[in-house]
Amino acid sequence: GAVVSQHPSRVICKSGTSVKIECRSLDFQATTMFWYRQFPKQSLMLMATSNEGSKATYEQGVEKDKFLINHASLTLSTLTVTSAHPEDSSFYICSASGQGSSYEQYFGPGTRLTVT
Amino acid sequence: EDQVTQSPEALRLQEGESSSLNCSYTVSGLRGLFWYRQDPGKGPEFLFTLYSAGEEKEKERLKATLTKKESFLHITAPKPEDSATYLCAVQGNSGYALNFGKGTSLLVTP
Repeated sequence: GAVVSQHPSRVICKSGTSVKIECRSLDFQATTMFWYRQFPKQSLMLMATSNEGSKATYEQGVEKDKFLINHASLTLSTLTVTSAHPEDSSFYICSASGQGSSYEQYFGPGTRLTVT
Repeated sequence: EDQVTQSPEALRLQEGESSSLNCSYTVSGLRGLFWYRQDPGKGPEFLFTLYSAGEEKEKERLKATLTKKESFLHITAPKPEDSATYLCAVQGNSGYALNFGKGTSLLVTP
């Protein structure tokens, strides 16, 4: 149990375009989903927290107009990187909580974004 | 502000050579301390949650312990497949977000 998927696993896009990343909880209902970013050899940095049906809460320094988060159902959250630039290239990972203990987060496999 | 410091940054062990990874933390009201394993290019895999000082949890060759200031991940007789980055994270009482350390990169050689 507690499986989280992400799609796509890898994406390459051109500078100025937008890309959408999906995060799904496959076998449980996720009341809260989190989006993290990880640069090479660095740890995970929280970008935003989203609760189903409400607006996401963004961490300081994360542009909410650039990183659009939608959590429309208890099993799906999406992150859209708008007007992507090369500096947005990173490993984006989502996590979900809601099964059993609300404290535990289960992570997806990550999405490698490369902006050319 | 919550802080998590992991040491060492990197650790190389011979197969069968037991050791411990350290996670020192400061947090306002610990809700939970988490250990994850991360393989290159993959998302973190959940290992343990510890909630209060004195608590211990075990899974195969891994054992996690917790005090009021730090947590240890003990690896007993490691195998090459235990090679990975081990991440420690804390969750305070301000919310459900996790604050991660930078991780310990473990390499176990045959």
